[in-house]
Amino acid sequence: DGGITQSPKYLFRKEGQNVTLSCEQNLNHDAMYWYRQDPGQGLRLIYYSQIVNDFQKGDIAEGYSVSREKKESFPLTVTSAQKNPTAFYLCASSTTSGTGELFFGEGSRLTVL
Amino acid sequence: GDSVTQMEGPVTLSEEAFLTINCTYTATGYPSLFWYVQYPGEGLQLLLKATKADDKGSNKGFEATYRKETTSFHLEKGSVQVSDSAVYFCALRRDFGNEKLTFGTGTRLTIIP
Repeated sequence: DGGITQSPKYLFRKEGQNVTLSCEQNLNHDAMYWYRQDPGQGLRLIYYSQIVNDFQKGDIAEGYSVSREKKESFPLTVTSAQKNPTAFYLCASSTTSGTGELFFGEGSRLTVL
Repeated sequence: GDSVTQMEGPVTLSEEAFLTINCTYTATGYPSLFWYVQYPGEGLQLLLKATKADDKGSNKGFEATYRKETTSFHLEKGSVQVSDSAVYFCALRRDFGNEKLTFGTGTRLTIIP
């Protein structure tokens, strides 16, 4: 079945460590996105990419980095520069035509100890 | 800039009650409008959408009508079930270009048997 796979589902990190969250899609979508969700808050856009080898900062890009070397993959690295990294991270993808609704993965919960 | 305002939760209803979750938006042009649902510990799923004024989106007994004159897209269901307990997000996306989704803060709904 087509969909978006995020891994790992749960991740624990010590302060000062970088961590990379994986996102893979087999929907043949051009656009991919990373959102952060905090308890009781909406979704905030971290980075997005509309085509391979290109990406743009979202609203809260500081302390994060991404790459888009393949159409199917859009990994997110949470660096030690991110002040409050504990959150639920959601990856999504969409077409770049029409209404282009987003399809989401099941999320990765990162906890910094 | 674009924005989405949802009624604040949490909302608690008894089973078989009527549900309304208010959503209003601010955007230039004619955005597409969406309702997403998030069940505990999962990613978001598209519930319904509408792409132009007076369109009605519907799915699983939920409905929302795109009201251009009041810039609203309220979510309704005639008789809620315990399984409808989730967080509901209203969102918009511009039709032109490759614009990202703008989300509301979400409304947590709990249905009591």
